Amino acid sequence: GQSLEQPSEVTAVEGAIVQINCTYQTSGFYGLSWYQQHDGGAPTFLSYNALDGLEETGRFSSFLSRSDSYGYLLLQELQMKDSASYFCAVPDLNSGNTPLVFGKGTRLSVIA
Amino acid sequence: EADIYQTPRYLVIGTGKKITLECSQTMGHDKMYWYQQDPGMELHLIHYSYGVNSTEKGDLSSESTVSRIRTEHFPLTLESARPSHTSQYLCASSESTLGTEAFFGQGTRLTVV
Repeated sequence: GQSLEQPSEVTAVEGAIVQINCTYQTSGFYGLSWYQQHDGGAPTFLSYNALDGLEETGRFSSFLSRSDSYGYLLLQELQMKDSASYFCAVPDLNSGNTPLVFGKGTRLSVIA
Repeated sequence: EADIYQTPRYLVIGTGKKITLECSQTMGHDKMYWYQQDPGMELHLIHYSYGVNSTEKGDLSSESTVSRIRTEHFPLTLESARPSHTSQYLCASSESTLGTEAFFGQGTRLTVV
């Protein structure tokens, strides 16, 4: 099956930059996605990387290194509203029709 | 805005009852998923479907069943609810191609007493 590792918690100061890492072990790989989930809410899609490199979307960027089986989500100019859980996800190529499987999530706390 | 809906949002039910959680999407997506998530914890895949009349169990089938008779509808049924089923259940959908965004419903928070 697929295995994704993320730190369980990260704390950062408002206005700062934070990086949330994700390492994966998969028998096949197609791409890495990131989702944000606020307490009591549903996960929402942030970004997707299929190729090596950095993808930038406003304050959020996502990076992938396929050779290192590693990716990260970079959040800049942190705001209090960025306090949430962040999940990396991959399609499970071992299972028929590739369901999306998630890491255990990283809880980000932004403090003043 | 995602067009995927779950009902009910909250449900309290007694042990042994049969319940069905509803999920519908209007985006025409082939793939649909059910995840179970305790507060602040990871998402566990329960069931998924890749089209009408095609369903598969995830790692955590949770003594539940699903059906996919229509593209837009993917209900989840617990035949006999237990307190261990107390959790949040999230439904999601995506297009058939790999790497596309998954859209989530707002979830059903289930409490079995």
